[in-house]
Amino acid sequence: TQLLEQSPQFLSIQEGENLTVYCNSSSVFSSLQWYRQEPGEGPVLLVTVVTGGEVKKLKRLTFQFGDARKDSSLHITAAQPGDTGLYLCAGASHDKIIFGKGTRLHILP
Amino acid sequence: DVKVTQSSRYLVKRTGEKVFLECVQDMDHENMFWYRQDPGLGLRLIYFSYDVKMKEKGDIPEGYSVSREKKERFSLILESASTNQTSMYLCASSAVWIMNTEAFFGQGTRLTVV
Repeated sequence: TQLLEQSPQFLSIQEGENLTVYCNSSSVFSSLQWYRQEPGEGPVLLVTVVTGGEVKKLKRLTFQFGDARKDSSLHITAAQPGDTGLYLCAGASHDKIIFGKGTRLHILP
Repeated sequence: DVKVTQSSRYLVKRTGEKVFLECVQDMDHENMFWYRQDPGLGLRLIYFSYDVKMKEKGDIPEGYSVSREKKERFSLILESASTNQTSMYLCASSAVWIMNTEAFFGQGTRLTVV
């Protein structure tokens, strides 16, 4: 069974601080996605990383795919209250998409 | 914009009822998925389908069945609803891009079984 472990499970920090969340697996994925989910809504795709070592930036969010394509990180610079939400990583393997349990992020104003 | 639409946002059903959750996507995607999401357990795959009339069991198929008669529609069926099936149900679809599979989600159906 392929598993994606996300850490930390919960994170509550002050506005303006930086943070990193992690997504780790023992399996290799052809691509890895990060989603953000707000209460009562479905997850929304933020980014897809495909190549080992790839780094993608989305404003204050930086996503990195591990060289071996087994892990990924999401770094947020100067967190804002609008960043609050559940962040999910997901790995694509064949036709399946497997999700981690998520990191619940709360940014305090 | 890709649109995945689930028929209901909220449902309340009685134990033993047969429940249908409907999902429609308008992007001509081959793959469709049903997940349930529970606190502390994350998103768990119930069933998925990679083509019309094709279905594959996910990680937790017990108590559920699915139907995919048309490419755009994927239905989840609870044959006899039980209280432990109270959950948030999420439908998703994706195209068949081997290197770049991205899932597009519906808004979710929060099902309560009483």
